[in-house]
Amino acid sequence: AQTVTQSQPEMSVQEAETVTLSCTYDTSESNYYLFWYKQPPSRQMILVIRQEAYKQQNATENRFSVNFQKAAKSFSLKISDSQLGDTAMYFCAFMIQGGSEKLVFGKGTKLTVNP
Amino acid sequence: AAGVIQSPRHLIKEKRETATLKCYPIPRHDTVYWYQQGPGQDPQFLISFYEKMQSDKGSIPDRFSAQQFSDYHSELNMSSLELGDSALYFCASSLTRTTYEQYFGPGTRLTVT
Repeated sequence: AQTVTQSQPEMSVQEAETVTLSCTYDTSESNYYLFWYKQPPSRQMILVIRQEAYKQQNATENRFSVNFQKAAKSFSLKISDSQLGDTAMYFCAFMIQGGSEKLVFGKGTKLTVNP
Repeated sequence: AAGVIQSPRHLIKEKRETATLKCYPIPRHDTVYWYQQGPGQDPQFLISFYEKMQSDKGSIPDRFSAQQFSDYHSELNMSSLELGDSALYFCASSLTRTTYEQYFGPGTRLTVT
């Protein structure tokens, strides 16, 4: 079974600074996808970024980027120039490609951006 | 852009009652997923449908059933409700085998009293 671990239950950062959220996963599969989802106080689940396991290049979406270390099974999210609207719960998620494509989530990291 | 629609947004039921949650996926998406998120928990996969056929099943109680209809909307039926069923129920849709990105609806908050 696949597991996803987020070791930081809570983090805080000052506005305009950079913060990195950690995620590790365990799988014996070779073809999979990794995602970061954001859940603000509204409870909406918002897709932040996606990484294909077969790609060596780290994904980037504006202020959000990942550091994907396949051998170490690590998938961290870096948020640059943090904004107040980034305050949310962040979930790391794993999906096997070619399987049912269900998402397996970590327990989440609650990020607070302080003014 | 069109998003996933869920109805109702809030639902209050008593123990042992029945609830039906509806999901309308993004147009042209071929796969629907249902997740349950308890208070302070991460979302847990319940069930999925690909092209109207059940494709996978997670830790879904036997009291729950779901289906996807010819217009691709999906319904989650929950019977003999228990207090522990109180949760946020998400529906997500994707264009499987293309982008693998799942887009979530706003969720239905079910409260069982």
